Amino acid sequence: SQQGEEDPQALSIQEGENATMNCSYKTSINNLQWYRQNSGRGLVHLILIRSNEREKHSGRLRVTLDTSKKSSSLLITASRAADTASYFCATGVGANSKLTFGKGITLSVRP
Amino acid sequence: DAGITQSPRHKVTETGTPVTLRCHQTENHRYMYWYRQDPGHGLRLIHYSYGVKDTDKGEVSDGYSVSRSKTEDFLLTLESATSSQTSVYFCAHGAAGRTDTQYFGPGTRLTVL
Repeated sequence: SQQGEEDPQALSIQEGENATMNCSYKTSINNLQWYRQNSGRGLVHLILIRSNEREKHSGRLRVTLDTSKKSSSLLITASRAADTASYFCATGVGANSKLTFGKGITLSVRP
Repeated sequence: DAGITQSPRHKVTETGTPVTLRCHQTENHRYMYWYRQDPGHGLRLIHYSYGVKDTDKGEVSDGYSVSRSKTEDFLLTLESATSSQTSVYFCAHGAAGRTDTQYFGPGTRLTVL
């Protein structure tokens, strides 16, 4: 069963706007990660936030984690057409570094 | 380049035939994973390995087996392929420890007729 559930399933915005994507999960986690997948390619790691952290930044990315609500959000600021991709949240739980992925969000950024 | 390759990249086979997919990493990472990606399901873990000859089942392991005889290679075998195994298969590796970041290969598109 999927641990992470992303919302919305699809998002279409204009270049220059901000994109906000949400992820909810069900059980306690060690960390939560966001990955990007361009069409026909493998997943690429974007950012990791640990369970004892509340916010992290990386370039135009900002991720927050609310463990009391079991939710996370990924904000991409000043979006570009090149940000068009699918975005997945993944939760790390327990041993062996296994991740459980959500179904993904399709982001379209219109030029 | 995440230091990981998959072969073949595309394969078409017939129901009932055996298929082996290969994953090769150059990072000497301990952990390796096989996922399948299907529309509406996201990525689901098939099997993973935490060292040479050490493997375990994931969420959707039925119909699949794996082997890891060397750190750099992780093989996924479909003993008798079925149409329900038509999918895109991704391999990943990770160093684990304080970070669980995984690095993905380019994927193998498998079609079972």
